[in-house]
Amino acid sequence: GQNIDQPTEMTATEGAIVQINCTYQTSGFNGLFWYQQHAGEAPTFLSYNVLDGLEEKGRFSSFLSRSKGYSYLLLKELQMKDSASYLCAVIAGSARQLTFGSGTQLTVLP
Amino acid sequence: SQTIHQWPATLVQPVGSPLSLECTVEGTSNPNLYWYRQAAGRGLQLLFYSVGIGQISSEVPQNLSASRPQDRQFILSSKKLLLSDSGFYLCAWSVTRNQPQHFGDGTRLSIL
Repeated sequence: GQNIDQPTEMTATEGAIVQINCTYQTSGFNGLFWYQQHAGEAPTFLSYNVLDGLEEKGRFSSFLSRSKGYSYLLLKELQMKDSASYLCAVIAGSARQLTFGSGTQLTVLP
Repeated sequence: SQTIHQWPATLVQPVGSPLSLECTVEGTSNPNLYWYRQAAGRGLQLLFYSVGIGQISSEVPQNLSASRPQDRQFILSSKKLLLSDSGFYLCAWSVTRNQPQHFGDGTRLSIL
């Protein structure tokens, strides 16, 4: 099986930078995804890491270290609309099953 | 561009009634299709996935079933709903199993 851990809640201030961490234990790692989910809505895809290093997409960046089973999502210049749950998901195994973490609820304060 | 449609958006059903949720994808051929359930305040649980017409894999034993009668159509069904079937049901598609999954808007199902 797979185990994915991420903090339950985080709070940050508008305009600041926040880092959301994700650790995982799995066999046959094939990739890691980050999704954003606003309350009552479906998740939307943010980023995909399959190799070690940093992937940057505008205000959002995602980092992966496969040897450490660790990833983080970095959000810069926080805006109120960034308040949402951020889901870390790992695809692994011969069946390439995608397993989601329970999500980190980010609250951005003015 | 590809789009995914899921309906209905909300549904209230009595215990013991049947269920049919439909999902269709446009703008792509032979997508991988998925059904997830998200209980309130919880993570996403994969229920079924399909790599082609008539090919369904079940991840969790339950009283739900899935069918893929056409290439871009995925249906979630139940003959008799239980109270525990309440939740937010999400359909998703991807090009391959290693690629990002893209979600429909979801169906919020309440069982009374």
